[in-house]
Amino acid sequence: GAVVSQHPSRVICKSGTSVKIECRSLDFQATTMFWYRQFPKQSLMLMATSNEGSKATYEQGVEKDKFLINHASLTLSTLTVTSAHPEDSSFYICSASLAQQETQYFGPGTRLLVL
Amino acid sequence: QQQVKQSPQSLIVQKGGISIINCAYENTAFDYFPWYQQFPGKGPALLIAIRPDVSEKKEGRFTISFNKSAKQFSLHIMDSQPGDSATYFCAASPRATNKLIFGTGTLLAVQP
Repeated sequence: GAVVSQHPSRVICKSGTSVKIECRSLDFQATTMFWYRQFPKQSLMLMATSNEGSKATYEQGVEKDKFLINHASLTLSTLTVTSAHPEDSSFYICSASLAQQETQYFGPGTRLLVL
Repeated sequence: QQQVKQSPQSLIVQKGGISIINCAYENTAFDYFPWYQQFPGKGPALLIAIRPDVSEKKEGRFTISFNKSAKQFSLHIMDSQPGDSATYFCAASPRATNKLIFGTGTLLAVQP
């Protein structure tokens, strides 16, 4: 149980384009989903927290207009990287948790390469 | 400051040995401490977690030791196997939130 999927697993795009990443909880309803970014050989940095049906809460230093997060249902959250640039190239990972629980279940990640 | 310090940065252990990874924190508002295992190109997977009211928790070959007064906790991997070779992250969650603050990670290599 507690499986989280992400799509796509990797994406290559040109600078200036927008990229959408989907995060789905497959066998449970996730009241809260999280988006992280991880650079090579580094730790996970929380970008934002989203609760179903409400606006995402962004961490300090994360541009909300650049990283658009939508959590329209209890099983789906999307992250859109708008006007992507090479410095946005990274490993993006989502996680999901059940109501009133701290445990986060992570997706397999999405490798984004912006040329 | 919401920070979790993790050591060592990398660790080499012989097969069958004990791997020990340490973490320390400052914020006394943390009340949930999980450990995650991550293989290259994959998302982290929860290994084991502990709360401050318990000093030790064991699940299979994995044990968390927790020292509340020292604000330290550690992961012990008994009988380490080559398949345990991965990056391990400790994390901490502040009370009344479900955010996770991750440590810097430890790259473990178990030699056959």
